[in-house]
Amino acid sequence: TQLLKQSPQFLSIQEGENLTVYCNSSSVFSSLQWYRQEPGEGPVLLVTVVTGGEVKKLKRLTFQFGDARKDSSLHITAAQPGDTGLYLCAGGSTDSWGKLQFGAGTQVVVTP
Amino acid sequence: EPEVTQTPSHQVTQMGQEVILRCVPISNHLYFYWYRQILGQKVEFLVSFYNNEISEKSEIFDDQFSVERPDGSNFTLKIRSTKLEDSAMYFCASSERRQPWGGYTFGSGTRLTVV
Repeated sequence: TQLLKQSPQFLSIQEGENLTVYCNSSSVFSSLQWYRQEPGEGPVLLVTVVTGGEVKKLKRLTFQFGDARKDSSLHITAAQPGDTGLYLCAGGSTDSWGKLQFGAGTQVVVTP
Repeated sequence: EPEVTQTPSHQVTQMGQEVILRCVPISNHLYFYWYRQILGQKVEFLVSFYNNEISEKSEIFDDQFSVERPDGSNFTLKIRSTKLEDSAMYFCASSERRQPWGGYTFGSGTRLTVV
């Protein structure tokens, strides 16, 4: 089983600060997806990265896939209260195309 | 924006009863999935479905579970004889592309409570 570990588990910052969330594994993934989940709701896809070293930007969010495709990071610049949520990474493999392996998530709280 | 619709949003059932969770995936999507999330735990894969058959299933998806696409729009998950440990949030998802090259669109979930 490929395991994804997210760190930190919880992050509380002030509005305007920057933050980085990490997703690490000892296994290689074909792709890494990042989701955001609100309480009582389903995960919402933010981005998919598939190439080692790939960097994708979504407004103030920057996602990076490690060169070896074993890890990924999510960086938020100038965080806003609307960025509050549970951020999940999920890895997929062509060996098991229908299945995503989810990390436990990082709870981000941005206070005004 | 197209969305995945799940009903009911919350279901309470007695242990041993059968439940059917319903999902309407996005209309042009071809791949369908069920995941579950026990309170405070990770999102876990249950099953993937394509071309009217199961593509892959997890160890959780035992003989008590079944999936069906009874018509062109609905995708259901049936639990034949519910157990207390089946209490969880169940998410349906669909994707246009074969994974892992795209992303999933998840529904808002059905909270199943077994008493």
